[in-house]
Amino acid sequence: GAGVSQSPRYKVAKRGQDVALRCDPISGHVSLFWYQQALGQGPEFLTYFQNEAQLDKSGLPSDRFFAERPEGSVSTLKIQRTQQEDSAVYLCASSVSQGSRVETQYFGPGTRLLVL
Amino acid sequence: AQSVAQPEDQVNVAEGNPLTVKCTYSVSGNPYLFWYVQYPNRGLQFLLKYITGDNLVKGSYGFEAEFNKSQTSFHLKKPSALVSDSALYFCAVRVFNTNAGKSTFGDGTTLTVKP
Repeated sequence: GAGVSQSPRYKVAKRGQDVALRCDPISGHVSLFWYQQALGQGPEFLTYFQNEAQLDKSGLPSDRFFAERPEGSVSTLKIQRTQQEDSAVYLCASSVSQGSRVETQYFGPGTRLLVL
Repeated sequence: AQSVAQPEDQVNVAEGNPLTVKCTYSVSGNPYLFWYVQYPNRGLQFLLKYITGDNLVKGSYGFEAEFNKSQTSFHLKKPSALVSDSALYFCAVRVFNTNAGKSTFGDGTTLTVKP
């Protein structure tokens, strides 16, 4: 079946613009994660959904970052008033059930955001 | 706090030789450890994981990793490297959290296998 997909794959924004990044998880996957990967670094956790419930948003760097998953499938990560330090690859991952510590997470190809 | 260290930014090996990509971790309680590979412009692909049991874990594409509790290490290994193994490799540990399986990643090691 299809894997995790993300769109757009590339996004260039002017500083101060709002952006919206979309993630389509694997069909039926309960858990969804967002990560931010800065250049030359490993991914860093942003937020986690179990179905439509956002259970953990401890990694969101500021109140400019907002994520939602209203119907428990597709998720959108929104960044308001983008800053240059927001430039990174944003990765989405999903897993089958309730995000247990041992489950395999399946990652999408990422959205590369460049803020000028 | 949990953390992962990949002490080598880059590893170079000749095709056919054994390879090792190093990873050490720090976590409260029992660790759940993972290796992922990332090819250019693609997402992370799962290679293998250690949960419990046998310290030697076998994964995809002939890779294996050895869990060493006393040294808090989880080094990735392959007996005979291929040019196609050239990629960026990430080690990750799962946060000991009751809500979610969020992962803490190392900064990655670039593996280059030369013909």
